[in-house]
Amino acid sequence: DSGVTQTPKHLITATGQRVTLRCSPRSGDLSVYWYQQSLDQGLQFLIQYYNGEERAKGNILERFSAQQFPDLHSELNLSSLELGDSALYFCASSVGEGQGSSGNTIYFGEGSWLTVV
Amino acid sequence: DAKTTQPNSMESNEEEPVHLPCNHSTISGTDYIHWYRQLPSQGPEYVIHGLTSNVNNRMASLAIAEDRKSSTLILHRATLRDAAVYYCILRKNTGGFKTIFGAGTRLFVKA
Repeated sequence: DSGVTQTPKHLITATGQRVTLRCSPRSGDLSVYWYQQSLDQGLQFLIQYYNGEERAKGNILERFSAQQFPDLHSELNLSSLELGDSALYFCASSVGEGQGSSGNTIYFGEGSWLTVV
Repeated sequence: DAKTTQPNSMESNEEEPVHLPCNHSTISGTDYIHWYRQLPSQGPEYVIHGLTSNVNNRMASLAIAEDRKSSTLILHRATLRDAAVYYCILRKNTGGFKTIFGAGTRLFVKA
């Protein structure tokens, strides 16, 4: 158990709909990362937050948005869903950033399986 | 963003050592080298990391080249449970850095 909690574990929804994926980072971790992994594909970096602020952005679609709340949990919102959005979405967390943090381990949750039909 | 290059796949026999290479020729002085692995249907898990010196832990060893442009993850005795995708990534301690995972190396372990 990594300590990173993601809900829901599985989700099936129709095209055009909107879903929200939730992530609770490990206790004490200030950084949250979101990744997308399609079938047999690598991990695609979407976005990173640190202590409530967006810190780095990857190839995240405009239909997707995320935020990190004051209690440090994070949500990834996916809207106008398309069949191609079906994937495993991982949340990860690490202690933080700044001096000395590049040795920080990233801890991944078990992922949220999204199926768009 | 600093990039890493790994072979797509490797094969090993059970109980034998495995050396997984990673090239990172554009590494900068403050980049840490991290290795993670992803078992089927699971999230990636941390294996080991280092900066300049070789590192050992209960899971593996990390050998870092003197010029830091390459590294090797060493599994001393591969088991069937080590069959996974292994990712080599670089991490900076500055804000705004994208933590990018490449395609990784898929390790097959034969009984």
